[in-house]
Amino acid sequence: QPVLTQSSSASASLGSSVKLTCTLSSGHSSYIIAWHQQQPGKAPRYLMKLEGSGSYNKGSGVPDRFSGSSSGADRYLTISNLQSEDEADYYCETWDSNTWVFGGGTKLTVL
Amino acid sequence: EVQLVESGGGLVQPGGSLRLSCAASGFTFSSYDMHWVRQATGKGLEWVSAIGTAGDTYYPGSVKGRFTISRENAKNSLYLQMNSLRAEDTAVYYCARAAYMDVWGKGTTVTVSS
Repeated sequence: QPVLTQSSSASASLGSSVKLTCTLSSGHSSYIIAWHQQQPGKAPRYLMKLEGSGSYNKGSGVPDRFSGSSSGADRYLTISNLQSEDEADYYCETWDSNTWVFGGGTKLTVL
Repeated sequence: EVQLVESGGGLVQPGGSLRLSCAASGFTFSSYDMHWVRQATGKGLEWVSAIGTAGDTYYPGSVKGRFTISRENAKNSLYLQMNSLRAEDTAVYYCARAAYMDVWGKGTTVTVSS
């Protein structure tokens, strides 16, 4: 089964950009992942599905400021022009052989 | 509007049972795999169960044999029967749509405590 590794925290200034990383375990570098955002006290929200090629499909209503990219086993979520409402936990998720896994999540602080 | 609404959470004693429901609307429910995901307070997301369009079911080891996922397409509803509940099952339970979980409900809280 794949394992997803995320940094526990990240921070960036209002109006700047930040790139969050989700790393797939060895042998799973081609896997598709999904990114989800969870604002404080709220349910998770789907952001995008991201392929190993770097191609991504965003959910309805997800701002253009959110984009995805890939390099090898790494899957990235880039947020441009950071807003205060982007302060949230971000989780990556993938699946294999009818088992679904989440990364540990990255807590993003907007300074 | 595509929507998932969970219900059925509450306080239950260790060893007890609870049945969660998830009402789907705004999409063709029968065409999608569905999931339950939980989150303990201050912790990350944990996948709990999945059911395919053909009714095939899947569980992680932590709940296998205790939890049962089911669906009733005629009622656009997803269920989670939870038996032999433990304190560590205390969490907010969410239902979600499809393998990449592109739609989430707001969740229902389950507390297992004496």
